[in-house]
Amino acid sequence: DTGVSQNPRHKITKRGQNVTFRCDPISEHNRLYWYRQTLGQGPEFLTYFQNEAQLEKSRLLSDRFSAERPKGSFSTLEIQRTEQGDSAMYLCASRPLAGLYNEQFFGPGTRLTVL
Amino acid sequence: DAKTTQPTSMDCAEGRAANLPCNHSTISGNEYVYWYRQIHSQGPQYIIHGLKNNETNEMASLIITEDRKSSTLILPHATLRDTAVYYCIVRVAMDTDKLIFGTGTRLQVFP
Repeated sequence: DTGVSQNPRHKITKRGQNVTFRCDPISEHNRLYWYRQTLGQGPEFLTYFQNEAQLEKSRLLSDRFSAERPKGSFSTLEIQRTEQGDSAMYLCASRPLAGLYNEQFFGPGTRLTVL
Repeated sequence: DAKTTQPTSMDCAEGRAANLPCNHSTISGNEYVYWYRQIHSQGPQYIIHGLKNNETNEMASLIITEDRKSSTLILPHATLRDTAVYYCIVRVAMDTDKLIFGTGTRLQVFP
């Protein structure tokens, strides 16, 4: 069990550029979540997948944001035409579907800075 | 999901018990109390959860009042590595499955 991994760990980009982040969940974890965290705030839910199906999206996920999990394993989060307000830590989490409780296992995050 | 209220910050001496309170006065009967913590520059980490009974695991104890309107997370012997932001979350298990974090309590453990 190597834990949830996220790449890259840091990304600096210029306003207007597109960026893509990758999340590799713990093996055989059916559910995968994306959160965004700005400085001094708790993480905010963006979206989650069960296998390859995207089951819920927050209204925070504007049309510039798109998330995929094509084979039910790793996931990508793309932000198009980045804005300075997109600067944040993007966190990924996963958990197995089975089980009554939903302990989510978080990755270390990708810190995005938009200049 | 019910709203939670936590103090912004707390201090604790190393080796002493850290008691972190959380108010959730609008909690419903089927809502659980979860605690996560986030050490600087890391993702959140699950600590413990409970419904109405007190719970204990290797990390902490969770004390829930009889009316379930508040709870306390107890770290019995705080260490410097327990310095983190602690989040109290109330939610229905098996519901929409997203976690709704507040701003949490920043616990500083000092030598």
